[in-house]
Amino acid sequence: DGGITQSPKYLFRKEGQNVTLSCEQNLNHDAMYWYRQDPGQGLRLIYYSQIVNDFQKGDIAEGYSVSREKKESFPLTVTSAQKNPTAFYLCASSIRAGVLEQYFGPGTRLTVT
Amino acid sequence: GQQVMQIPQYQHVQEGEDFTTYCNSSTTLSNIQWYKQRPGGHPVFLIQLVKSGEVKKQKRLTFQFGEAKKNSSLHITATQTTDVGTYFCAGPSPGTASKLTFGTGTRLQVTL
Repeated sequence: DGGITQSPKYLFRKEGQNVTLSCEQNLNHDAMYWYRQDPGQGLRLIYYSQIVNDFQKGDIAEGYSVSREKKESFPLTVTSAQKNPTAFYLCASSIRAGVLEQYFGPGTRLTVT
Repeated sequence: GQQVMQIPQYQHVQEGEDFTTYCNSSTTLSNIQWYKQRPGGHPVFLIQLVKSGEVKKQKRLTFQFGEAKKNSSLHITATQTTDVGTYFCAGPSPGTASKLTFGTGTRLQVTL
């Protein structure tokens, strides 16, 4: 059963801690993306990766970091430098860069107190 | 930078009524996509439009791409409670074919 998995669904952290969100896909897609969604708002791009071992900053990369060591995995680290980390984080993939139809994972709701 | 705005921000309709959301980009788009996000869920791809003036239908949903390729609309005929959710348009970010800029979204509520 192909798709994108994100874990955990809910995550709670104390302020000042780094936290890593998991994103795995078995669709054999080249491109992967991380978005942030705040209540009642649209999706804002954090980072994206067009191919393994390559990634670029999106519109709101400050306070976040990523890696793309494997095609199927694109973890996102929310660092303590992110001022307002509480949000809904969505991972997505597309078959390759330039093909923009995106498939989304179920998301992780991060709460930092 | 590119802005993609949608109106209305929110609409509440009675089941059976029609619904339309409009998407306007500050820049010309090579294509436009529409996604639906159910409450508590994740966005799901609905359709992509590429040609100027293109109209596509999916059952009760009609999608249109403007002649100038800067705007688009989604019309739902005879809404049902299953149509509840937020509808987003999205277009390629300027200067790159590698990422999307999402619209602000329209939240649709349907009641019996």
